Amino acid sequence: DAGVTQSPTHLIKTRGQQVTLRCSPKSGHDTVSWYQQALGQGPQFIFQYYEEEERQRGNFPDRFSGHQFPNYSSELNVNALLLGDSALYLCASSSPPPRRNEQYFGPGTRLTVT
Amino acid sequence: DQQVKQNSPSLSVQEGRISILNCDYTNSMFDYFLWYKKYPAEGPTFLISISSIKDKNEDGRFTVFLNKSAKHLSLHIVPSQPGDSAVYFCAASKWGGNTGKLIFGQGTTLQVKP
Repeated sequence: DAGVTQSPTHLIKTRGQQVTLRCSPKSGHDTVSWYQQALGQGPQFIFQYYEEEERQRGNFPDRFSGHQFPNYSSELNVNALLLGDSALYLCASSSPPPRRNEQYFGPGTRLTVT
Repeated sequence: DQQVKQNSPSLSVQEGRISILNCDYTNSMFDYFLWYKKYPAEGPTFLISISSIKDKNEDGRFTVFLNKSAKHLSLHIVPSQPGDSAVYFCAASKWGGNTGKLIFGQGTTLQVKP
């Protein structure tokens, strides 16, 4: 049983560019949450998708957007990249309630903005 | 505003001894708490959780204690093993664990010496 997978593993972009990160949830999970982890910090919640809609959002600007597909996989898009967007981006999947908080994380995508 | 705080960036213990990792929170609406372990180049892995209706939860070598009046939780690892060396994050959530929105602390790096 494959766990949560993310692609790509690493990415280098230039300031002002746009980036798309991808996530496939664990089998049987319908919810995908995205987190940003800056160096030396804990993961910060960006947003959550289930039933192909954004359900919750953290304190991130509109430059951060996402999508969930019918097969539950998800994309995170970041426009107009800033140097401060350099971080590890983690995708987590979970089951419907009452187990939605038990999240399984992927290995992350390391984004470097130069 | 850091709602979940892990005030010790690092902890070093001898193999076989007890490791105690601490976490404080400020939001009284949090009612579900989790601990995650993270190795380098991997995503966080769920360890153990506790609901606010309990004050203790055990799973093998891992025990989480919750003191609601002090807004404090701790993770005890007994006995500690070198393979436990990792970064440990505590996380908190609202509404009984059904939201999937986790607020993480900054993490504590545990080193277990052989």
